[in-house]
Amino acid sequence: EPEVTQTPSHQVTQMGQEVILRCVPISNHLYFYWYRQILGQKVEFLVSFYNNEISEKSEIFDDQFSVERPDGSNFTLKIRSTKLEDSAMYFCASMNPRDRGQSGANVLTFGAGSRLTVL
Amino acid sequence: KQEVTQIPAALSVPEGENLVLNCSFTDSAIYNLQWFRQDPGKGLTSLLLIQSSQREQTSGRLNASLDKSSGRSTLYIAASQPGDSATYLCAVLRRGSARQLTFGSGTQLTVLP
Repeated sequence: EPEVTQTPSHQVTQMGQEVILRCVPISNHLYFYWYRQILGQKVEFLVSFYNNEISEKSEIFDDQFSVERPDGSNFTLKIRSTKLEDSAMYFCASMNPRDRGQSGANVLTFGAGSRLTVL
Repeated sequence: KQEVTQIPAALSVPEGENLVLNCSFTDSAIYNLQWFRQDPGKGLTSLLLIQSSQREQTSGRLNASLDKSSGRSTLYIAASQPGDSATYLCAVLRRGSARQLTFGSGTQLTVLP
């Protein structure tokens, strides 16, 4: 079964450093997402990406964050200058609106997550 | 703005009991509703997905229902086992160009042997 792959699984960084989290979505999917989950809190939407541009972003997704699809297969989330409060699990997801999943279309598939620890 | 609420926040039951987890959402303009399982420190495992035109889905001991007009879903777990202990998350996919998934806070389930 096709998977969404995320790397690294765990990254530890110093405050103020730049971090890039990588995702390989399912190949025929058209929508790409980043979500995050701070320990003990809700899974929160960060950004959605469609047709090579951001389609929606939350208030969390400020100027410190950016996304890119550099080569048609990878989808990256960059945090320019990490803060302590950026420590979280970051989930990538992808979707094909016409994907005939078990129950029909519009099925988001999530990666296993990248745990970011900012010291 | 879509809000998703899950009740109860935590639930502890003895092994073998049947149980119901509840999810409610404020905006009925959805494509589908999905139930996930999350073990501590781990990723999201999709359990069941119900399209907006459907009323329920079943997988093994799990049954999920959807009442879109009232903004409610339930996840029924039959004959619970200690291995079912996890956090169960409900999420709805909003209609529109962005197709954003909004999550509830989850129900932390503990099944006691």
